[in-house]
Formats: sequence, structure tokens, C-alpha cells
Amino acid sequence: DGGITQSPKYLFRKEGQNVTLSCEQNLNHDAMYWYRQDPGQGLRLIYYSQIVNDFQKGDIAEGYSVSREKKESFPLTVTSAQKNPTAFYLCASGKGQVFTDTQYFGPGTRLTVL
Amino acid sequence: SQQGEEDPQALSIQEGENATMNCSYKTSINNLQWYRQNSGRGLVHLILIRSNEREKHSGRLRVTLDTSKKSSSLLITASRAADTASYFCGDSGGSNYKLTFGKGTLLTVNP
Repeated sequence: DGGITQSPKYLFRKEGQNVTLSCEQNLNHDAMYWYRQDPGQGLRLIYYSQIVNDFQKGDIAEGYSVSREKKESFPLTVTSAQKNPTAFYLCASGKGQVFTDTQYFGPGTRLTVL
Repeated sequence: SQQGEEDPQALSIQEGENATMNCSYKTSINNLQWYRQNSGRGLVHLILIRSNEREKHSGRLRVTLDTSKKSSSLLITASRAADTASYFCGDSGGSNYKLTFGKGTLLTVNP
């Protein structure tokens, strides 16, 4: 069953903690993306990766970090430096290496800071 | 920066009616994409229309693109309660090929 998965679905973080959100895809896609969505807002790009072992900052990368050691996986770490991390986080993947291709989204992770 | 902006922000219709949502963008594009998001879920791709295309159909969906007005519209015909969702347009163009999403239109289809 092909697709893109994110875990956990809900995540609670205490202030000062780092947390890592998982994103896995078995679509054999080269490109992967992380977006943040706040209530009533559109998506904002955090990081993207066009190929294994390479990634680029998006519009709001401060306080976040990523790695792309495997084609299938693109985990996002929300660090304590991110001052307002409560949001809905969406991971996506794409066939090509540019944004112009269709993006396939995971179900999202809702992060809440306690 | 270029950004798809959807209009209206919210739309409420009765089942069976047609729903039209509009999207405007600021600069030239390579393509424009429409996505649907059910509450608390990820986005689902609906249609991609390229800059040299004017109209595209997919089932009950019809998308038009007017590059002279920098706008696109999404028409959902014979709407169903299951069409209730937020609809986003994302435009990609310019030199950095970044896909940028608007704030979306919240469509409510009442049974």
C-alpha cells in the first residue's frame, strides 16, 4: 500500500524540549517537504529536500532541523529555539526534484506545547 | 512574493448546487495546483493546470486559468456533503519554483 506516513498523529512537548516528527514515504519519490499550518492559514514551507543527503531551508526554517539520510525518510526536529511551535505539521513528497510537480501529503502531526 | 489567494474565504451551499472558488496570484507561473483538505487531515491533490492551458476537467471538477488576469477558478458541480473541506490553490513559478499556498476557501455543503 503506497503512501506517505507521519507519526505521531498528536505530540505534546514541554517548553525547552526538542521533539522529532517522523515522515516516511514508499512512493520512491526524490523530493520531500515539510510545511507548517496554523489555524485558518495556508501552508508555510519549513525545509525541503530534492535528493538524499541534501536539503534546503524554506521560508521559516529557524528553530527547526532536518536530515535526509535515506530516500524514504525525512524527519523534522522542532528545537527549543522555535518559540511558537504549536501548529499542524505536514510532510509531502514529490516525484520530481522541483516544486512544480504534484505533491503528495501525509496525514499530519499536531504539535502542542504545554 | 507570489502567493495564491483564494476567494471567498468561506462558502456555504446546499447539496446539488455548484460551488465556485477563485484564486489570484501575483507574478507569472509555471503551473497552478488545487488541493483539498478535510479538517485535521493532509492535503489531497485535485488538479494541476499548466500556464499554457486554459481549462481542465476531472470528474465534477473544472479548473480555468486566465494568465492575463493572473487568476484561476475551481468549479465543483452538483456538490455533495462529502465535498465539505478547505480548498487551496498553490502556484509555482518564478525563478525558484517554490509552491506557495493561499489561506484557502472553506466550503460547507449542507445536506
